[in-house]
Amino acid sequence: NAGVMQNPRHLVRRRGQEARLRCSPMKGHSHVYWYRQLPEEGLKFMVYLQKENIIDESGMPKERFSAEFPKEGPSILRIQQVVRGDSAAYFCASSPPGQGTGNTIYFGEGSWLTVV
Amino acid sequence: GQNIDQPTEMTATEGAIVQINCTYQTSGFNGLFWYQQHAGEAPTFLSYNVLDGLEEKGRFSSFLSRSKGYSYLLLKELQMKDSASYLCAVRDSRTGANNLFFGTGTRLTVIP
Repeated sequence: NAGVMQNPRHLVRRRGQEARLRCSPMKGHSHVYWYRQLPEEGLKFMVYLQKENIIDESGMPKERFSAEFPKEGPSILRIQQVVRGDSAAYFCASSPPGQGTGNTIYFGEGSWLTVV
Repeated sequence: GQNIDQPTEMTATEGAIVQINCTYQTSGFNGLFWYQQHAGEAPTFLSYNVLDGLEEKGRFSSFLSRSKGYSYLLLKELQMKDSASYLCAVRDSRTGANNLFFGTGTRLTVIP
């Protein structure tokens, strides 16, 4: 049973370029979450999605960032016109639906974005 | 909103016991989680508490007091490989979902 798969693991972009990060949830999981971890800081919730729906994007920056989870294919976190401050580790996590006992989120290996 | 506090750094000796504390404030509480994160790696799930009391899982135990907004993670028989960051997180019942809100993490260094 494959875990949460993220790619690319490492991405280098020049300022002003676009970054696309992909996430395939664990088998049987229909909910996807994106988190950002800046160097020496904690994990910050960005967005929570179900298939074809954004449920909670309260942690997303207002500009340049967008996320989707289409009916077919992986979830994508898109950062347009990247700046140096976007350099961070971006973690995707997935979970089954509901807050049942034992339901928690499982993280992928992360995508490390470096903006030069 | 959520407010989660935990110490930034701790150091402990191999073979010893260490307790990492976490205090939280949240409008709708539905579970407290502990994750371990080694440098450059993904967080991995350690424990989950939703009722008051102690949950034991091998060398790791986690305690919760909902009335005090307090939890701790207890690590026994410390090993060098336990050097990592330990992240405290709460789940908000109002969202109906499993998105977690994390503290900044406690970096534990185990010394010989």
